[in-house]
Amino acid sequence: NAGVTQTPKFRVLKTGQSMTLLCAQDMNHEYMYWYRQDPGMGLRLIHYSVGEGTTAKGEVPDGYNVSRLKKQNFLLGLESAAPSQTSVYFCASSYVRADTQYFGPGTRLTVL
Amino acid sequence: AQSVTQLDSQVPVFEEAPVELRCNYSSSVSVYLFWYVQYPNQGLQLLLKYLSGSTLVKGINGFEAEFNKSQTSFHLRKPSVHISDTAEYFCAVTDSWGKLQFGAGTQVVVTP
Repeated sequence: NAGVTQTPKFRVLKTGQSMTLLCAQDMNHEYMYWYRQDPGMGLRLIHYSVGEGTTAKGEVPDGYNVSRLKKQNFLLGLESAAPSQTSVYFCASSYVRADTQYFGPGTRLTVL
Repeated sequence: AQSVTQLDSQVPVFEEAPVELRCNYSSSVSVYLFWYVQYPNQGLQLLLKYLSGSTLVKGINGFEAEFNKSQTSFHLRKPSVHISDTAEYFCAVTDSWGKLQFGAGTQVVVTP
């Protein structure tokens, strides 16, 4: 039982490049979330999904897109990376809303 | 909308001493409250949560927290810390919709 996994663990991009972060969970959770963590700001919600085929905007969605084609996967895309997107990205999932979220190990992204 | 304030950004503490991490929240509706811990270079994991019932909540690793509705607080305590408790601690609040709002975090540094 791997829980929540994230790919890749580290990535360096140049400004304007694109990339996709993959989150996978094997707990059959309906709800999935993408956060970014920046020093002194805690975690901020980027996008979330309440089930396969659904996505919704969180607190800081600009510059990101997401897709949930399969229940177990939640993809976060950056179409044109900017230095302001340098951050640590965490994926999380939960069985029901308003209850415990289970977090992946994070992806450290640097945009030069 | 909810907000969370963690009153201390860093708390130094000696091994075997008690520690209290302060968390205040604001919300116009009923809330659910969480404390998560993040060890260096890892994702977040749940320490404890308050959903309903007893206002004194016990979590893992000897931590406990008390929900005080009148003071809108959810302070975290441990009577005797270990070196291994060195980590960053996040208070979070959500309403029934399930979108977590995190505080900025409190870094606990335990020294011998």
